[in-house]
Amino acid sequence: GDSVTQMEGPVTLSEEAFLTINCTYTATGYPSLFWYVQYPGEGLQLLLKATKADDKGSNKGFEATYRKETTSFHLEKGSVQVSDSAVYFCALSFAGNMLTFGGGTRLMVKP
Amino acid sequence: SQTIHQWPATLVQPVGSPLSLECTVEGTSNPNLYWYRQAAGRGLQLLFYSVGIGQISSEVPQNLSASRPQDRQFILSSKKLLLSDSGFYLCAWSVGYEQYFGPGTRLTVT
Repeated sequence: GDSVTQMEGPVTLSEEAFLTINCTYTATGYPSLFWYVQYPGEGLQLLLKATKADDKGSNKGFEATYRKETTSFHLEKGSVQVSDSAVYFCALSFAGNMLTFGGGTRLMVKP
Repeated sequence: SQTIHQWPATLVQPVGSPLSLECTVEGTSNPNLYWYRQAAGRGLQLLFYSVGIGQISSEVPQNLSASRPQDRQFILSSKKLLLSDSGFYLCAWSVGYEQYFGPGTRLTVT
């Protein structure tokens, strides 16, 4: 079946550091890919998405590129802030069906 | 614009008591609806999804049930709660590729 694998956390960075959270997937075909963010005590918010190979999703300084050849969708940000501290989930779906989530990666940014 | 509501926001219930969590969506028609559970420090587990009124699919067999009495209303229930039912319950809706999540209900079973 389909699956998503994320790097285990927590990831601890200093403010203004470069962030990479790795995400790889296993699926038959070409799914849509998503990054969701969950701030403490809240629900999930869609951060960015990509629906086909080589698409780059971006939002709030975060970016991720759909790499078909490596089945990856790594999340990056050039300079993290304390307010970016949250749990980040990578996910895939086909044609509006259920999302398959990765296990989540907790990011802690220290001032 | 579309909004999704969940209540209550927090709930503390004794073991063996019943449960009813409600989720409503505004601003869209015939959405797919989902219930997820997130145990402490864990990822998301899909519990139920619904593609229409009265149509419920269960992903994980357990002592929970779901109902969809109206197009934009999704209810999660239990007749007798277990300690293992504690967690953060999230409702979501989708029309197309993206899912949109509610604020969640934190349930503590004591």
